[in-house]
Amino acid sequence: EDQVTQSPEALRLQEGESSSLNCSYTVSGLRGLFWYRQDPGKGPEFLFTLYSAGEEKEKERLKATLTKKESFLHITAPKPEDSATYLCAVQAGANSKLTFGKGITLSVRP
Amino acid sequence: GAVVSQHPSRVICKSGTSVKIECRSLDFQATTMFWYRQFPKQSLMLMATSNEGSKATYEQGVEKDKFLINHASLTLSTLTVTSAHPEDSSFYICSAGTSGPQDTQYFGPGTRLTVL
Repeated sequence: EDQVTQSPEALRLQEGESSSLNCSYTVSGLRGLFWYRQDPGKGPEFLFTLYSAGEEKEKERLKATLTKKESFLHITAPKPEDSATYLCAVQAGANSKLTFGKGITLSVRP
Repeated sequence: GAVVSQHPSRVICKSGTSVKIECRSLDFQATTMFWYRQFPKQSLMLMATSNEGSKATYEQGVEKDKFLINHASLTLSTLTVTSAHPEDSSFYICSAGTSGPQDTQYFGPGTRLTVL
């Protein structure tokens, strides 16, 4: 059974204080690892897909990396508007469905 | 690009009535659409996978006769909650998948269902 574990559950940062969010996974035949951002009362917003170990992708203050066991979402110099829940999900085998972690709630104080 | 809409954004209904939620992919064709529900402070739980022109595949524990899914076209899927009860109150979110080996799911804004 595919498993996704995200840590920490919640993270509070000061504006400008860089940090990383972790996503550990156990899956047979990884096809892709996805990062989404979700604001309260809204649907998840797609951020990145990573397909193979060693791959990295960047978007503004966010950078996602992937190893064979985990993925990190690095946030550089965060701003209050980066406050949200960040969801990690895996897609495995021939199946298109995603298995989600519980999410990490990030709060950035001004 | 890759915009998914849902309608309505929120609905309040009486116990025992049925509610239909629409999910549309606005700028791409989605052979596969997914329906999730999310309870407060929890992550997304997949309810079912629907493929255009065929019957939906439901996850274990999801009642297919209660949650009717129709995927009539490549841009529209509907979820009907039949004989809704207060325990069905939740946030329902759909996603539409792009095709190909590097398929990605794009999510709609969600529908807040409250059953009185």
